[in-house]
Amino acid sequence: AQKVTQAQTEISVVEKEDVTLDCVYETRDTTYYLFWYKQPPSGELVFLIRRNSFDEQNEISGRYSWNFQKSTSSFNFTITASQVVDSAVYFCALSVYTGNQFYFGTGTSLTVIP
Amino acid sequence: DVKVTQSSRYLVKRTGEKVFLECVQDMDHENMFWYRQDPGLGLRLIYFSYDVKMKEKGDIPEGYSVSREKKERFSLILESASTNQTSMYLCASSLIAGPQTYGYTFGSGTRLTVV
Repeated sequence: AQKVTQAQTEISVVEKEDVTLDCVYETRDTTYYLFWYKQPPSGELVFLIRRNSFDEQNEISGRYSWNFQKSTSSFNFTITASQVVDSAVYFCALSVYTGNQFYFGTGTSLTVIP
Repeated sequence: DVKVTQSSRYLVKRTGEKVFLECVQDMDHENMFWYRQDPGLGLRLIYFSYDVKMKEKGDIPEGYSVSREKKERFSLILESASTNQTSMYLCASSLIAGPQTYGYTFGSGTRLTVV
């Protein structure tokens, strides 16, 4: 069975602080894909990144970076120099090669205080 | 710009009513999904469809049904709405080989309140 855990329910940071959102996943499949989505107040989930299980390279995109570690089954997301526009709910998700379904974590609500 | 469009942003219905939530995508995606989102529970899959007239139950199908008569349209039906179906409903679509490669494209959601 697949499972994604986002232990942080809510996080508040002051603008310009760095913040890391944790994601731990469980799967017995050897080929799988990990995703992060952002859900702003408007409601639509926006795709941020995809990682496959064979690529453990960290990735940086502007102020966003992702740390994928198979040894700890984690796929953590860091926002550097946070901004008010980063306030949203962030979801981590897992998909396995053999299926069509995504497995979502329960989400982390991030509030960036000006 | 590619789109998944959900017909209503907010909906208020009475207990016992039959409710239709509509979702249309313009990307020629084979897969379509209905999720409900509740605080503390994240997104839970209700039903999905990988082709016209095909449907598969997700994790919480009880009290719901779906219809996919055309590739671009996937409807979620609450046969007899109940207050515990008050929730945010999200529609998503993907290519047939897509979830792993391209991820989902989501609609903006329908916030349904059953009174």
